[in-house]
Amino acid sequence: QKEVEQNSGPLSVPEGAIASLNCTYSDRGSQSFFWYRQYSGKSPELIMSIYSNGDKEDGRFTAQLNKASQYVSLLIRDSQPSDSATYLCAVSGGSYIPTFGRGTSLIVHP
Amino acid sequence: EAGVAQSPRYKIIEKRQSVAFWCNPISGHATLYWYQQILGQGPKLLIQFQNNGVVDDSQLPKDRFSAERLKGVDSTLKIQPAKLEDSAVYLCASSLDRAPSPLHFGNGTRLTVT
Repeated sequence: QKEVEQNSGPLSVPEGAIASLNCTYSDRGSQSFFWYRQYSGKSPELIMSIYSNGDKEDGRFTAQLNKASQYVSLLIRDSQPSDSATYLCAVSGGSYIPTFGRGTSLIVHP
Repeated sequence: EAGVAQSPRYKIIEKRQSVAFWCNPISGHATLYWYQQILGQGPKLLIQFQNNGVVDDSQLPKDRFSAERLKGVDSTLKIQPAKLEDSAVYLCASSLDRAPSPLHFGNGTRLTVT
């Protein structure tokens, strides 16, 4: 059973701070990594995808991947109250079947 | 482009009744997924289609759940008979192809079994 682990939180950060969200996975053959944001009562929406080791930046978001440590993270700079949501990590490997973690709840307080 | 369409948005049924959910993926998307999301948990894959063929249904409770994707476009997920533990949001998603293509989700169907 392929596992994707996330701390359920909540992670509480003040407005303007950096939020750091972490995810570990068990399948060493994993090749594709995604971060989705899910607002309460809504469906997940894609924020970032990353496929190779290192950092990938998109606006205020940075995804970091370390395949040797089987670890992927998402940094949100200048956090805003509108970033308050659950962040889901999804991983897929050679079978191309996306597996989701349980998500980390982020609260950005003014 | 139009998004993934799902219906109904909400459904309340009694245990042992049957229910069906419908999904229309984004035009041109070959891969279609049905996920079950229980409150407080991440989405759990029930079944994945590539065109009209099943790629993976290993986590689909086949004694009560069934799904089909006729003509490689629309899909229907059915539960018969429903149990209390089936209360969840059922999410349909589509992608251009299999991973690494990202998933595009519909609004989901919230099922309550009483």
